[in-house]
Formats: sequence, C-alpha cells, structure tokens
Amino acid sequence: DGGITQSPKYLFRKEGQNVTLSCEQNLNHDAMYWYRQDPGQGLRLIYYSQIVNDFQKGDIAEGYSVSREKKESFPLTVTSAQKNPTAFYLCASSIAGGMNTEAFFGQGTRLTVV
Amino acid sequence: QQQVKQSPQSLIVQKGGIPIINCAYENTAFDYFPWYQQFPGKGPALLIAIRPDVSEKKEGRFTISFNKSAKQFSLHIMDSQPGDSATYFCAASKGAGNMLTFGGGTRLMVKP
Repeated sequence: DGGITQSPKYLFRKEGQNVTLSCEQNLNHDAMYWYRQDPGQGLRLIYYSQIVNDFQKGDIAEGYSVSREKKESFPLTVTSAQKNPTAFYLCASSIAGGMNTEAFFGQGTRLTVV
Repeated sequence: QQQVKQSPQSLIVQKGGIPIINCAYENTAFDYFPWYQQFPGKGPALLIAIRPDVSEKKEGRFTISFNKSAKQFSLHIMDSQPGDSATYFCAASKGAGNMLTFGGGTRLMVKP
C-alpha cells in the first residue's frame, strides 16, 4: 500500500534533549512537509522540501531541523532550542510543482515533554 | 499573521442537519482551496477542493461555496451523520507546490 509512515506514534522527551521524528513515503512524491498542530491553531508549516538535498523554512522553523538525503525520507529533529515542543506533528507529501495537487498526510507523532 | 480565518471553532448539530463552516482569506494570490477532514489521532485527509474559477462544487453530501469578491468560502454538509463528527480544516495555497496555509479548524459533533 502506498502512503506516508510516521514513527513513532507517541514520543516523550526530557527537557534539553533532542529527538528525531521519522517520516517515510512510498508515493514517489518529490515534495515533503512538516506541520505542527496545536489545539485551536490549525496546522502550521515547520519545514518543506521540494527536492532531495534541498529544504526551506516554514513559518515556525525555530528550534527544528530537517534533512532530505533521500526522496523517500524527511526526518524532523526537535532540538532543545524549541521551548514548547509538546504538540502533534504531521508529515505530508505531494507532487512537486503540481498545480493544486493533493497533499497526503501521515498519521502523526504526538510529542510530549516530560 | 493568520492568512486564513475559520469559524466557528466548534459546532454541534443534530443528525440530518446542515452544518456550515466558513473561511475567509486575505491573500488574493491563493488559487486552490481544499477542505480536510481529521478524525482524532489521525492525519487529515482531503475531503473536497475548489479553484476560484467556479462558485460551487459538490461531491456527495459535501458542497463548497466560493465567493471570490468577498474572499470567502464555506463547507456545507448535507444530511449530516454521526460519522461526520470530526475536525474540519479549510486551507489555501498559491501557485505551484502545495504549501498549504490552514485555518484554525472546526470541531464538528453530529448528535444521533
């Protein structure tokens, strides 16, 4: 089955610790995205990548980092510089450059700081 | 700056009712307006989408109405069912690529 797989589903982080969220897709999509979801605020764009080895900051990139070494993978690292990391993180992918094409989402990772 | 404003934040209707969710946008460069449906603990899934060259689009029980001059669009759910209970997000994007700007979401509950 084609789709986007995010792991883990739940993640707990201690203060001052970096954690990495995994996102893998087998849809052969060039573009991949990371969104953060907080209650009542919708989805906010963290980072996006239109092609391998290239990525751009979104609206709330501070405290996050990404890499895009493979077309299928777009991991997100939540660093200790992110002061309020507790949230639901969603990865998405789409055909790059496509006019108004659908974005497919993974099932999300819920990150909690303990 | 929130470029897409969505209302209401929550909505409760009886089965068979017609919930209406409204969105307003600011950026006139937006040219693609999708609606996503999200169930608890899951990722959003595309429900229906519209481009600004049409004023209405219908797919099954879901209808988008679009008012380009007012920069507003809305989702209507006909004959709503308890299974429609979910959070609905409007979104907008411009040009190539899919950098979607999302509204704040509406939590819909359809009572049996």
